[in-house]
Amino acid sequence: GDSVTQTEGQVALSEEDFLTIHCNYSASGYPTLFWYVQYPGEGPQLLFRASRDKEKGSSRGFEATYDKGTTSFHLRKASVQESDSAVYYCALSEPGYQNFYFGKGTSLTVIP
Amino acid sequence: NSKVIQTPRYLVKGQGQKAKMRCIPEKGHPVVFWYQQNKNNEFKFLINFQNQEVLQQIDMTEKRFSAECPSNSPCSLEIQSSEAGDSALYLCASSLQGRDTQYFGPGTRLLVL
Repeated sequence: GDSVTQTEGQVALSEEDFLTIHCNYSASGYPTLFWYVQYPGEGPQLLFRASRDKEKGSSRGFEATYDKGTTSFHLRKASVQESDSAVYYCALSEPGYQNFYFGKGTSLTVIP
Repeated sequence: NSKVIQTPRYLVKGQGQKAKMRCIPEKGHPVVFWYQQNKNNEFKFLINFQNQEVLQQIDMTEKRFSAECPSNSPCSLEIQSSEAGDSALYLCASSLQGRDTQYFGPGTRLLVL
């Protein structure tokens, strides 16, 4: 079945470090891929999405490129800030289905 | 920014008590989802609706959980007899289509003592 596997657990970085959170997916069709971010005390909010192979999504300095060949949608940011500390989720949805599949989340802590 | 409204933000119940939470989806969004998020941040899908009709629900939902999305009223999720394991953050999300971007509310944090 459909699934999303992302970097699990916690990631700790210093400000201005480079961030990569890996996301690989398994889907039978051509899914839409999403990155969501959840700050403490809030619900998840969309960072960006991508629907086609090689499409790049970006927002707030974060970016990811849809790669059907490697079934990946890795999240990257060149220089993280303390305010980026949050939990990040990779997710997918498939045409014809009424549901999402979320990864288990990656907790990012940025140390000033 | 999401305009999904969830109430209450916090709910404390004793074991065996009913727990009810509500959600107002974004205006114009016919699809509503309920998720349970545990302390490890994992999402568990519970149920979703298109307008007032149930699209999918998991077995757990069929037993102690009930949900509805009546027209012109908030959607609701109710646990008939709360258990300690139900303590979690309950998230409501809405979208234009089931596979489209989901917009989440802030959640209702349930604590079952």
